[in-house]
Amino acid sequence: QKEVEQNSGPLSVPEGAIASLNCTYSDRVSQSFFWYRQYSGKSPELIMSIYSNGDKEDGRFTAQLNKASQYVSLLIRDSQPSDSATYLCAVSGGATNKLIFGTGTLLAVQP
Amino acid sequence: ETGVTQTPRHLVMGMTNKKSLKCEQHLGHNAMYWYKQSAKKPLELMFVYSLEERVENNSVPSRFSPECPNSSHLFLHLHTLQPEDSALYLCASSQTPNLGEQYFGPGTRLTVT
Repeated sequence: QKEVEQNSGPLSVPEGAIASLNCTYSDRVSQSFFWYRQYSGKSPELIMSIYSNGDKEDGRFTAQLNKASQYVSLLIRDSQPSDSATYLCAVSGGATNKLIFGTGTLLAVQP
Repeated sequence: ETGVTQTPRHLVMGMTNKKSLKCEQHLGHNAMYWYKQSAKKPLELMFVYSLEERVENNSVPSRFSPECPNSSHLFLHLHTLQPEDSALYLCASSQTPNLGEQYFGPGTRLTVT
């Protein structure tokens, strides 16, 4: 079982729609959760962090965390073509206290 | 710009060569990292340094040798690499070790021929 699992995609959504990106993790004691965005040919960039159950909103982005289900998601409202990128889910604070990344979900926003 | 720079951006080397990757952070952070990113694989943590002291070495082959002369600079010395070592090598920094909020440099695209 992968430590952090994401659907590789591509996830294709029309411009203006809501993009929903999902991530599950295996280490139940994980404490901190992050979403990084990586444009093609570029390095990862932190866009959201969440530490407690529930929703956290930042502009068009909403991170959702459900520790009981070991599930974290990222919603992007009013998706724009500039949102097209790979979104990496990362989890830390587990048994190893390391930051563990998923393989990422490729999002393609169609104009 | 994230405040983390890496050189060179691209590197092609033969299996018998020796080369070094350089990373510098201008953020005043106390921890620096080397990651390897290969296609279709998650980011792999290679090394973690905290205040110039190595605190993590994730079973990385000895042909990769890190060096951290001070809290702002990090090197990765490469020798007798294999073609499967071809990847994007990313440097990152954070305020404290193993913090999830990390800032990445642009990476070095390494090709081993």
